Amino acid sequence: GIQVEQSPPDLILQEGANSTLRCNFSDSVNNLQWFHQNPWGQLINLFYIPSGTKQNGRLSATTVATERYSLLYISSSQTTDSGVYFCAVNRDDKIIFGKGTRLHILP
Amino acid sequence: GAVVSQHPSWVICKSGTSVKIECRSLDFQATTMFWYRQFPKQSLMLMATSNEGSKATYEQGVEKDKFLINHASLTLSTLTVTSAHPEDSSFYICSAREGEGGLARTNEQFFGPGTRLTVL
Repeated sequence: GIQVEQSPPDLILQEGANSTLRCNFSDSVNNLQWFHQNPWGQLINLFYIPSGTKQNGRLSATTVATERYSLLYISSSQTTDSGVYFCAVNRDDKIIFGKGTRLHILP
Repeated sequence: GAVVSQHPSWVICKSGTSVKIECRSLDFQATTMFWYRQFPKQSLMLMATSNEGSKATYEQGVEKDKFLINHASLTLSTLTVTSAHPEDSSFYICSAREGEGGLARTNEQFFGPGTRLTVL
C-alpha cells in the first residue's frame, strides 16, 4: 500500500522561529490534507491541498504532486502551535496518515 | 461550517460492558463517515468506513463483531465497542466527508474531537 513519511519526527523551536515540515508519499494520490492535533486530541484542518500552494495567516503549504511531496511552513511560531502535525493522503477512497511531526514551541 | 461532534468525549467502563460512541455531522450531510483509533503518541489507524444505509467496510484486522458500526442517517454514525476489555482502551476519532447536497463535493474530511475510552 501507499506509504506516507513525515519529517522530522520531532522538532523543538524557540517562539518566533520558522519551520518547514515535510510529507513524502510513495504513489499518486487523489488529495492531501494537513492537520494539527492539539494537546486535547482535536484534529484541526489546516489545508486541503492536492496540488499547488495555499496560505492561511502564518501557515502555508505547497504540494508538488508530480514529485510526491508536500511541505507545511510555519512562520513566527507561537506556543499555541505546539502539538502534532499530520499529513494525510487520500487514495482509493481511503485516508492514510503519516506518523506525524511533534512540534514543541518554547516560550 | 463542516463541524463534526462526538459523544461522549470520554468514558470509563468496566470490562465486559458495551460502549456506544456517536459521531454527528452538524452542518452538512455525510454519506460517508470514518472511524479511527489512536494509541498514545501514535498515528491514526483507520478502523472502518461507514456508508449511510449500507454495511460498514472494515479494515484488515478489525473485528466487525467487536466494533459494531451503524450509519442510519446522513448525519449520524455510531460505533459500539462490545464486551470491552482493557486492551480496547484508546482514543477513538470519527471523521465525515460531505456527500450530495453539501456545499461542495470534495474528499476533504472533517474530524470530531474524539472519545477517550478507558476500560477497567
